Amino acid sequence: AQKITQTQPGMFVQEKEAVTLDCTYDTSDQSYGLFWYKQPSSGEMIFLIYQGSYDEQNATEGRYSLNFQKARKSANLVISASQLGDSAMYFCAMREGPGGSYIPTFGRGTSLIVHP
Amino acid sequence: DVKVTQSSRYLVKRTGEKVFLECVQDMDHENMFWYRQDPGLGLRLIYFSYDVKMKEKGDIPEGYSVSREKKERFSLILESASTNQTSMYLCASTPLAGDNEQFFGPGTRLTVL
Repeated sequence: AQKITQTQPGMFVQEKEAVTLDCTYDTSDQSYGLFWYKQPSSGEMIFLIYQGSYDEQNATEGRYSLNFQKARKSANLVISASQLGDSAMYFCAMREGPGGSYIPTFGRGTSLIVHP
Repeated sequence: DVKVTQSSRYLVKRTGEKVFLECVQDMDHENMFWYRQDPGLGLRLIYFSYDVKMKEKGDIPEGYSVSREKKERFSLILESASTNQTSMYLCASTPLAGDNEQFFGPGTRLTVL
């Protein structure tokens, strides 16, 4: 079974609008971390945002926020005020804590296209 | 700034050749990783290393080996390249402990003819 599921292979959004990229995860650990990365067409993976399983507040980094719903095991990425430069692949990843291997597991990614 | 570099951005090899992909990080990170990335499959872990001369198999180690003789350098070796190893290869590193993000290299796009 996949540990990280990204159900949206592709998403389209109008410039300046907000978009939500879905991510659900599967773990029995109490301690884990959730990450989102962006991969532009250049290929390099860029870290965007992190949420720890014990963090009560949703993580935010500029225009990026993570909608963390622990009971539903979801960690959706919200991008506000989309820009053309946000067009990229987005990957959700999880690293499980002491009960796991500390090795990150990645989802299959969502391709986001921002239209002018 | 953390810097992870990979020896080549693009590489073309022939079936049966021995291929070396090199990765170097300059932040004294203990953990280093090799992934391959294929469309629709995301990133799949090939091997990782948490210390010099230590290595662990990931999800898809078949056809690959690794070497870590120095802390900053982690090499991926394709003993006899095959066409199904045509892919994007990404190297990453992190410190040993803590909830730190991975720092990635620019990737090597390998084509095996």
